[in-house]
Amino acid sequence: DVVLTQSPLSLPVTPGEPASISCRSSQSLLHNNGYNYLAWYLQKPGQSPQLLIYLGSYRASGVPDRFSGSGSGTDFTLKISRVEAEDVAVYYCMQPLLSPVTFGGGTKVEIK
Amino acid sequence: EVQLVESGGGLVQPGGSLRLSCAASGFTFNNYWMHWVRQAPGKGPEWVANIKPDGAEKNYVDSVKGRFTISRDNAKNSLYLQMSSLRVDDTAVYFCGRAQSGALDYWGQGTLVTVSS
Repeated sequence: DVVLTQSPLSLPVTPGEPASISCRSSQSLLHNNGYNYLAWYLQKPGQSPQLLIYLGSYRASGVPDRFSGSGSGTDFTLKISRVEAEDVAVYYCMQPLLSPVTFGGGTKVEIK
Repeated sequence: EVQLVESGGGLVQPGGSLRLSCAASGFTFNNYWMHWVRQAPGKGPEWVANIKPDGAEKNYVDSVKGRFTISRDNAKNSLYLQMSSLRVDDTAVYFCGRAQSGALDYWGQGTLVTVSS
């Protein structure tokens, strides 16, 4: 199975400052169509996960442009350019390329 | 507006069975792969199963193979998960999700399954 390793586990941030989360895959997520099959989600307590980024770097509909995704192959990054209070959540990466679909362990973003 | 609404969760004893449903609306259901994902209390999401638009292909995580069956009724815009031989470690919120562009772009609100004696 593909193992997705997220870091850090916990990320205290100051509002207005940037934040960055890493997701490393045990196998390449680069398909021969040129797309990286890696998605990012945020999940707030009591809610279902919300899609932020798909195919490595494409923002989902309605997602603020302070969120961006980058990377290729096995190393991926989610960046928040200026953290807002509403961004407090647990963030997960997910790969649907290789069965079984797997998720990273999560990164909890909290306000300092 | 895309909507996914799960139902059928509840309390069941170990070894018991339960059938979850997911009612889809706001999109052409029979064009999409559909997934079940679960989340145990305090844990991250775990993928459970998926099914092709025509139902001809189904995939499962190893821990549920032989115990869970995913199915769909495109005429009723519904997705199902038949769960049997339930174990305590199957306790989780179960979400259905729509697959699009290499991600699950819409999720339901989830239904809680508790396996306990």
